[in-house]
Amino acid sequence: AQSVTQPDIHITVSEGASLELRCNYSYGATPYLFWYVQSPGQGLQLLLKYFSGDTLVQGIKGFEAEFKRSQSSFNLRKPSVHWSDAAEYFCAVGAKQTGANNLFFGTGTRLTVIP
Amino acid sequence: NAGVTQTPKFHILKIGQSMTLQCTQDMNHNYMYWYRQDPGMGLKLIYYSVGAGITDKGEVPNGYNVSRSTTEDFPLRLELAAPSQTSVYFCASSYLGTSYGYTFGSGTRLTVV
Repeated sequence: AQSVTQPDIHITVSEGASLELRCNYSYGATPYLFWYVQSPGQGLQLLLKYFSGDTLVQGIKGFEAEFKRSQSSFNLRKPSVHWSDAAEYFCAVGAKQTGANNLFFGTGTRLTVIP
Repeated sequence: NAGVTQTPKFHILKIGQSMTLQCTQDMNHNYMYWYRQDPGMGLKLIYYSVGAGITDKGEVPNGYNVSRSTTEDFPLRLELAAPSQTSVYFCASSYLGTSYGYTFGSGTRLTVV
């Protein structure tokens, strides 16, 4: 069964510092991988996704993520955090099989940015 | 382009009452989903639909019902509300499923008292 682990419940970084949010997945084959961001009171917005090919994917708002098959990880990174990045971040894994129609979400990592 | 619209945004329901959460999308997406989000638990799939007239259960369907009579609308029905159904509910849609990513609505915060 698919599962996603985000080991960090809450991370605090200073504005301008680099950021890495961890995501580990469990899946029998190469999955689809996603990062979503949720601002307070809002729905989830897609940051980036990995399907195949280049293991380093670029997303919106200056975020990137790297798929590492050997570590079953898909960590999200940003070189310099802005105050507006404070939000909750969700990693999700989806099945590649035809007909599969679900994303499995991690429990989220809340990011606080301090001036 | 409105995307996915959910109503209401907030609601307080008494135990045993019923209500319908509305979800509509204007992107002509085939797939639609209902999730609930509880603190520290991530999102759990309640029901999903791959097209008008077709629905299926997700991980946590008990206490809920759905219908999909049109491509645009996917209402979620709560029958005999219980405190355990206090949650934030998100509707999402997708063109052809997981690989296309999901577009989420802004959510309905429901409290059952």
